[in-house]
Amino acid sequence: SQQGEEDPQALSIQEGENATMNCSYKTSINNLQWYRQNSGRGLVHLILIRSNEREKHSGRLRVTLDTSKKSSSLLITASRAADTASYFCATVRNYGGATNKLIFGTGTLLAVQP
Amino acid sequence: KAGVTQTPRYLIKTRGQQVTLSCSPISGHRSVSWYQQTPGQGLQFLFEYFSETQRNKGNFPGRFSGRQFSNSRSEMNVSTLELGDSALYLCASSLGTSGSVTGELFFGEGSRLTVL
Repeated sequence: SQQGEEDPQALSIQEGENATMNCSYKTSINNLQWYRQNSGRGLVHLILIRSNEREKHSGRLRVTLDTSKKSSSLLITASRAADTASYFCATVRNYGGATNKLIFGTGTLLAVQP
Repeated sequence: KAGVTQTPRYLIKTRGQQVTLSCSPISGHRSVSWYQQTPGQGLQFLFEYFSETQRNKGNFPGRFSGRQFSNSRSEMNVSTLELGDSALYLCASSLGTSGSVTGELFFGEGSRLTVL
């Protein structure tokens, strides 16, 4: 399977705590993206990091990328109950051509307890 | 600006039937891609279209097909339905250009197909 792996599969924390999710992938990439999915709904884009970047911030989100280890992490600081959702990493390979094909990881289910 | 619209949201079919799902991308977006989400296989890429041309295809049998119209709206069709086709089918759009690698995709709410 081309799919990436994410860990943990599930994470339960208290409001105000930080949540860290990890993603590993298998191939050379152009960029890596993180998406959020509320139960049974569509995916919402959170952040994109390019292969030549090592860290990126957006609000309470911090993403790191280590291409030598083929891994990324998503940190959500000061979590809120509204952050409860599934989080997926998705990679875009270097095909050498145009593409919108994302290869998704297995996802992390985050539960933030109020 | 309206988001990506998928219809129908829910549908139930029986084995052997066929189904057509529709996706209207965000106005101005020329690229549409489709994904299947199941508990067992996760999110799997089906195919993508840009300017009415299929640009990439995932590893699915020929029963899965799609097309894109001149107004960028897209449909996907699944023929001879099997129980394993039960899934959430997600459509995503992006501006896309002929030479671009994808940035952010905008997803619809999905069409949940149940095959009995």
